[in-house]
This record gives sequence, structure tokens and C-alpha cells, in this order.
Amino acid sequence: DAEITQSPRHKITETGRQVTLACHQTWNHNNMFWYRQDLGHGLRLIHYSYGVQDTNKGEVSDGYSVSRSNTEDLPLTLESAASSQTSVYFCASTPGTVAGELFFGEGSRLTVL
Amino acid sequence: QQQVKQSPQSLIVQKGGISIINCAYENTAFDYFPWYQQFPGKGPALLIAIRPDVSEKKEGRFTISFNKSAKQFSLHIMDSQPGDSATYFCAASKRGGGADGLTFGKGTHLIIQP
Repeated sequence: DAEITQSPRHKITETGRQVTLACHQTWNHNNMFWYRQDLGHGLRLIHYSYGVQDTNKGEVSDGYSVSRSNTEDLPLTLESAASSQTSVYFCASTPGTVAGELFFGEGSRLTVL
Repeated sequence: QQQVKQSPQSLIVQKGGISIINCAYENTAFDYFPWYQQFPGKGPALLIAIRPDVSEKKEGRFTISFNKSAKQFSLHIMDSQPGDSATYFCAASKRGGGADGLTFGKGTHLIIQP
């Protein structure tokens, strides 16, 4: 079955370190998204991509970057992790560019000490 | 500015009762209103969605009621079951808008007591 997988599922890191969260989908969806989920804030969009070599900033993009070298993967990089980036991160994908069903991964819990 | 306001933040309902979660929006350009369900340790999953050309959509025990004039929409869970215990998010996006324009509410943590 097609799916979307995130790794690692849990990570603890130190302030200032670079961290990369992986997202891989096998649906061949063009559109991929990264959200962070925090209590009291719901789901907030970090970055998104509508295809290979396309990346765009979302609502809370500061301190994060993404790259899209193929259809299947959209890794999220924290260049210099900060305690404020402690959160649960979700990757999602959708086949169409018009709003429709988002398919989410199971999340990556990141703790920055 | 929060574009979609969701209430309550948490809700406890007895088994067999009706769970009601409300959302309000201000942007009249919104025309797609989905609800997502999230179980602990899992990602959100689409539960049900509505467009403003209808006032109600029902799928099993789940119903969305939509009031275009009041700019409000709500999720009703009939005969609530312990397995419905989860966090629920409403969302909205603009007419013809891209999936990046999907704005989520802050979520409601629902507990169904047996």
C-alpha cells in the first residue's frame, strides 16, 4: 500500500545543532507539506512544495529549510536548532494543487535541549 | 490574526451522547471546510468535509452543519463512543485556493467517557 513515512519518530538534540527530519511518500503526489503541531496553536504550515525543485515558505518558516530533489522526498532541516523548535512535526502530501484531502505521516517528535 | 476559531478547546461527553464542536471564520472567500481527526501518536486524517453549497453533510454518525450567513460550521458526533476520543481540527481554505492555503483551527480534545 502507498504511504507516507517520517523518520526519526523521536529525536532529542541540543541547541545549535543541525537536524534533518525525513519525509518519504510512495503515492507519487506532487504536493508535499511540513506542519508543526503545538498545544494551543494547532497545525501551522512551515514549508511546502508543489513539485521537484519547487519550495515555498509557510506561516512559520523562520529557522527551517526544505529541498525537493525528487517526487518522493521532502526533508525538513533545522539549520541551528532552538528550544522554541521543540514540537511535533508532521509531513503531508496531496495529489492536487487545489485544496483537498491531506494525507499525513505519523509525526516526528523533536526535543531541543 | 486567527482565521478559523475553534471551540471548545476540550470536551468530555458520556458514551451515547452527542459531541458538538464549533468553528467560526471571517473570510468569505473560504469555500472548503474539512474536519480532521487525530488519535494519540498518529497524524491527522480527513474525517468529513463540506462546501458551502449545502447546509449539512452526514457520514455515518458524523455530521457537519454549515451556516453560511453566520460564517460558522460545526461537527456533530451522534451516539459518541469511547473510540471517538481524539483531537478534532476544523479547517478552511479559499475558493480555488491551493492546499497551502488550508487554515486549521487550534483543535478540540474530545474524551468520551464509558
